[in-house]
Amino acid sequence: EPEVTQTPSHQVTQMGQEVILRCVPISNHLYFYWYRQILGQKVEFLVSFYNNEISEKSEIFDDQFSVERPDGSNFTLKIRSTKLEDSAMYFCASSEAEVLSYEQYFGPGTRLTVT
Amino acid sequence: AQKVTQAQTEISVVEKEDVTLDCVYETRDTTYYLFWYKQPPSGELVFLIRRNSFDEQNEISGRYSWNFQKSTSSFNFTITASQVVDSAVYFCALSFRKGGKLIFGQGTELSVKP
Repeated sequence: EPEVTQTPSHQVTQMGQEVILRCVPISNHLYFYWYRQILGQKVEFLVSFYNNEISEKSEIFDDQFSVERPDGSNFTLKIRSTKLEDSAMYFCASSEAEVLSYEQYFGPGTRLTVT
Repeated sequence: AQKVTQAQTEISVVEKEDVTLDCVYETRDTTYYLFWYKQPPSGELVFLIRRNSFDEQNEISGRYSWNFQKSTSSFNFTITASQVVDSAVYFCALSFRKGGKLIFGQGTELSVKP
């Protein structure tokens, strides 16, 4: 069964460093998303991406964040200068957004630890 | 306000008990979509069910059932004859268009003890 994959599973970085989190969405899906979950808290939306551009973003998704679909399969989230409060689990998701199939499927997540 | 409330933070039951997880949502939109996701201890988010606002039909899938009531803005989830493997955090979520962002509730941590 097709699934969303994410790499790395765990990333440790120092404050101020840039990180890139990678995702491979399900191949026939058209919508891509990033969410984050701070430990023990709810899942929060960061950004959605459709047709090679951002379709929606949250207040969390400030100038330190960017997304890119560099080729036909990968979808990346870049944090330019990490802060301690960026420590969280980051989930990538994708969706067909069709009439009968509009649920989002999530990857296993990347745990980002900023020290 | 567009919001999802899962008032039960933690629930603990003994195996074989039935358990209902509550979800209440707030929206002024007439078209919306509701979802339940399961997050087991391993951390991934597993899709369980979706419902659109036009479809109030309840659904049963094995031991799982969902009760959608627009009159009370609720989309509750019942597990019948719970099992230890059901132990997880369960999230209810709301969206306003296909392809739109998911707004999650705080989650309910279900612990099923043998």
